[in-house]
Amino acid sequence: ETGVTQTPRHLVMGMTNKKSLKCEQHLGHNAMYWYKQSAKKPLELMFVYSLEERVENNSVPSRFSPECPNSSHLFLHLHTLQPEDSALYLCASSQEPAGRTDTQYFGPGTRLTVL
Amino acid sequence: GIQVEQSPPDLILQEGANSTLRCNFSDSVNNLQWFHQNPWGQLINLFYIPSGTKQNGRLSATTVATERYSLLYISSSQTTDSGVYFCAVNFGNEKLTFGTGTRLTIIP
Repeated sequence: ETGVTQTPRHLVMGMTNKKSLKCEQHLGHNAMYWYKQSAKKPLELMFVYSLEERVENNSVPSRFSPECPNSSHLFLHLHTLQPEDSALYLCASSQEPAGRTDTQYFGPGTRLTVL
Repeated sequence: GIQVEQSPPDLILQEGANSTLRCNFSDSVNNLQWFHQNPWGQLINLFYIPSGTKQNGRLSATTVATERYSLLYISSSQTTDSGVYFCAVNFGNEKLTFGTGTRLTIIP
């Protein structure tokens, strides 16, 4: 148990569906992150939020839309995804705002399959 | 950006064996972390070790920042050590860059 939870753990969706991934951290951290992990590839950072403001967007397609309503919650809204978007989506948090020099704590991930 | 290479890519060992995993990086760093990802996808941070040596039970890590590498040692391996071990680094305000990992399989 890392103090970061994600729901759902598994998600299967069609290309025309709209769904949302949820992340919650119980650590009192100031920064939250979305990562994508595809088979045989390194983890790819998607978005960074620091004190509820988006501070980084790593050229992620607009069909992925993040939302951070407060410092404990992070969402990833999905719409009109492609099969190649199937992957494990990981949420993480860290103490420092946009913390670059401290430890990141990861949630268990949502395994997404796009049909 | 910083390049991170991990070796070996795959490692299969008998329970009780010792192992050394290596992480090479291409530039100066001020953040280096080792993670273990279990077979269900959960990533657990093992060490925050931009330099020096740390130990935690059967695991220890050493980073030689001047020579741009870090080593993770696992002694007396157990089946629960199986999974993928990632090294991740960054410098300054750059994003954390992950290596492609070492997949460790411990056979009973």
